[in-house]
Amino acid sequence: EPEVTQTPSHQVTQMGQEVILRCVPISNHLYFYWYRQILGQKVEFLVSFYNNEISEKSEIFDDQFSVERPDGSNFTLKIRSTKLEDSAMYFCASSEMYTTSGNTIYFGEGSWLTVV
Amino acid sequence: DAKTTQPNSMESNEEEPVHLPCNHSTISGTDYIHWYRQLPSQGPEYVIHGLTSNVNNRMASLAIAEDRKSSTLILHRATLRDAAVYYCILLPIYNQGGKLIFGQGTELSVKP
Repeated sequence: EPEVTQTPSHQVTQMGQEVILRCVPISNHLYFYWYRQILGQKVEFLVSFYNNEISEKSEIFDDQFSVERPDGSNFTLKIRSTKLEDSAMYFCASSEMYTTSGNTIYFGEGSWLTVV
Repeated sequence: DAKTTQPNSMESNEEEPVHLPCNHSTISGTDYIHWYRQLPSQGPEYVIHGLTSNVNNRMASLAIAEDRKSSTLILHRATLRDAAVYYCILLPIYNQGGKLIFGQGTELSVKP
């Protein structure tokens, strides 16, 4: 079964450093997303991306965050200057089209980011 | 965004059916009811969704009340692998971009 893959599975970084989390969405999917989950808390929406631009973003997704689809297969989340509170599990997801009656969102296994 | 209410936790015995309830009294006519689950240390996983009629798939069944203000996810025979947090999420039919709003969900534990 096709799956969303994410790298790295775990990254430790120093506060203030830039981090890039990488994702390979399912190949025929058109919508791409990033969510995050701080330890012990809810899964939170960060951003959705369609047709090479951001469709929607949450309040969490401030100027420190950016997303990019640098080629036909990868989808990345960049955090420019990490803060301690950015420590979380980051999930990439993709879907074939709008999340309407016929479609579902497929999530990756996550990238665990620890900022020290 | 329409809200859902779920019990914080439930317990089940292995190989017994499990009924996970969800209240969504402010649901609108164009909201689909989606269920996702999150196994320990994994990403969320789609389980099932429906609009008005009951739905079945290989993982579970979804029973939707006639007034649509509540629904129940049914796992017919719980296995240890079904231990997870289950999320009931309302998704407008015209929701472009897949903005799933996760609540706290119901943490299901399964006893051998």
